[in-house]
Amino acid sequence: RKEVEQDPGPFNVPEGATVAFNCTYSNSASQSFFWYRQDCRKEPKLLMSVYSSGNEDGRFTAQLNRASQYISLLIRDSKLSDSATYLCVVSPGANNLFFGTGTRLTVIP
Amino acid sequence: ETGVTQTPRHLVMGMTNKKSLKCEQHLGHNAMYWYKQSAKKPLELMFVYNFKEQTENNSVPSRFSPECPNSSHLFLHLHTLQPEDSALYLCASSQDRSNQPQHFGDGTRLSIL
Repeated sequence: RKEVEQDPGPFNVPEGATVAFNCTYSNSASQSFFWYRQDCRKEPKLLMSVYSSGNEDGRFTAQLNRASQYISLLIRDSKLSDSATYLCVVSPGANNLFFGTGTRLTVIP
Repeated sequence: ETGVTQTPRHLVMGMTNKKSLKCEQHLGHNAMYWYKQSAKKPLELMFVYNFKEQTENNSVPSRFSPECPNSSHLFLHLHTLQPEDSALYLCASSQDRSNQPQHFGDGTRLSIL
């Protein structure tokens, strides 16, 4: 079983739409959770950390469900500039990160 | 502007060549990482250095040899690579604590002929 699993998409949504991605992880002892964004042929960049109580950053909301071992990312009012691949990242600790394959989002004008 | 700089950005080499990838971080971090990103696969962690000491080697073939002379610099020495080693190689750094996010360089796109 993969450490981190994501729906690869692609998700094609119109501007202004709300879109949600889910991600599941296999290690129940995982301690830290992140969403990264990767543009085509660029490096991954941290979008936001995911906290147990859920957290919001502008149009982005992240949720963590430890019991079901999944993480979600909600994007409201999608912009063209949101088009990218979104990587779910899970850390069991000890400087180790496990990446999902990413979910590709395209926002259409 | 990334705080993690990788050179070269692109590298084409034959299977018998020897080359090195370089990474430098200007963030004052103590941990540095090498990742491999192949098409349609998740990022694969290759090596981890914490305070210049290698703490992780994820069963990487010996044709990849890392070197960390100090906490700001990381190298990946390459020799007798195979075509399947063609990929994007990403360097990252973080503080030494495990719950800190990692900052990535632009990567080196490596093609093996």
